[in-house]
Amino acid sequence: EVQLVESGGGLVQPGGSLRLSCAASGFTFSPYEMNWVRQAPGKGPEWVSYISGSGSATYYADSVKGRFTISRDNAKKSLYLQMNSLRVEDTAVYYCARKNSGYDLWGQGTLVTVSS
Amino acid sequence: QSVLTQPPSVSGAPGQRVTISCTGSSSNIGVNYDVHWYQQLPGTAPKLLIYDNTNRPSGVPDRFSGSKSGTSASLAITGLQAEDEADYYCQSYDSSLSGWVFGGGTKLTVL
Repeated sequence: EVQLVESGGGLVQPGGSLRLSCAASGFTFSPYEMNWVRQAPGKGPEWVSYISGSGSATYYADSVKGRFTISRDNAKKSLYLQMNSLRVEDTAVYYCARKNSGYDLWGQGTLVTVSS
Repeated sequence: QSVLTQPPSVSGAPGQRVTISCTGSSSNIGVNYDVHWYQQLPGTAPKLLIYDNTNRPSGVPDRFSGSKSGTSASLAITGLQAEDEADYYCQSYDSSLSGWVFGGGTKLTVL
């Protein structure tokens, strides 16, 4: 089955760190550009970060630049998001999404809650 | 305040036709970046509904169609069904922000 499965979410205090993972299965992972998208409670989706198929190009939303780092391991068919200096406003469901003329495959999401 | 502007809500009776607009600017839709549309049912991840302005992924009914003109795009849904009740989001790329942007979303209610 073609799917993406996120993990690593949880409750963290402001200023803390968390690493999200996204495991791909059912398709050849390496050619695809990948993204992280988040959705705060009751809000619309917000693009967070992009990585090229080889991992050589990465881009970030201004809201997370300098705090979050996207990476991938094509051998393990996995995507990662290292989140540092977390803020209350980073609270959201985080999705990994495959880019293919639009985001054609999404994971089920993992909830990140930043609260003291 | 989203870079792409959508009406917060639209509604229609079963069988009717509704349209959802997505208004951008000269740094996104107006610069000819493609527009994509997503449907999100409660408690689930967004699902790609229309890609590259007018194209439907395999499995999406032809009741859904997309169009684009100038700095705006539209999603049309004909023959409304109860199962179409969901949130709908447009998406494009913005050159000023150097990133991808989503609209604020439109909640479709089937009366």
